[in-house]
Amino acid sequence: AQSVAQPEDQVNVAEGNPLTVKCTYSVSGNPYLFWYVQYPNRGLQFLLKYITGDNLVKGSYGFEAEFNKSQTSFHLKKPSALVSDSALYFCAVRRLSGGYNKLIFGAGTRLAVHP
Amino acid sequence: EAGVTQFPSHSVIEKGQTVTLRCDPISGHDNLYWYRRVMGKEIKFLLHFVKESKQDESGMPNNRFLAERTGGTYSTLKVQPAELEDSGVYFCASSPPGQLSSSGANVLTFGAGSRLTVL
Repeated sequence: AQSVAQPEDQVNVAEGNPLTVKCTYSVSGNPYLFWYVQYPNRGLQFLLKYITGDNLVKGSYGFEAEFNKSQTSFHLKKPSALVSDSALYFCAVRRLSGGYNKLIFGAGTRLAVHP
Repeated sequence: EAGVTQFPSHSVIEKGQTVTLRCDPISGHDNLYWYRRVMGKEIKFLLHFVKESKQDESGMPNNRFLAERTGGTYSTLKVQPAELEDSGVYFCASSPPGQLSSSGANVLTFGAGSRLTVL
């Protein structure tokens, strides 16, 4: 069964430093992986996805994620964190159900970027 | 284009009462999903509509939850009677018609969520 694990409840980073939010997955077959972000009082916003191809995927707001098949990981990264990046981040994997997409989410990681 | 809108943004009710959450998907999006996040836990799938039909309702917790999508436009999720463990944020999402996109994965667009507090 498909599943996603986000091992850190919270990540604290100083502004300007690089950030990493970790995600590992378990799927049968080729993984389709996603990152979403939730800012306070806002809905989940799509950041990026990995379907196939280059292992480094670039997304919105300067974020990128690296797909590592051998480690079954899809960590979210940003070279230089901003205070405005503080939010809740969710990793997700696609599960096919009757030919339709269904997303399986992790528990989320709260990113706190300090000035 | 208008996004996915959900109403109410926050509802506080007492155990045993009834609450109805509403979701208006993006116009033209046949696929509509309901998800729920209980405090600190993962966002869990509840069900999926394709137009007015329930394609997958395997995530619905129990028969106190009733989802409808009459006419294939907006959807409602009713909880009756509400229990304490129903508290959480209920997210709605929609995606374009069809099954898999040419890229192999349609991106779901989510609403801001409806926070339900059952006292």
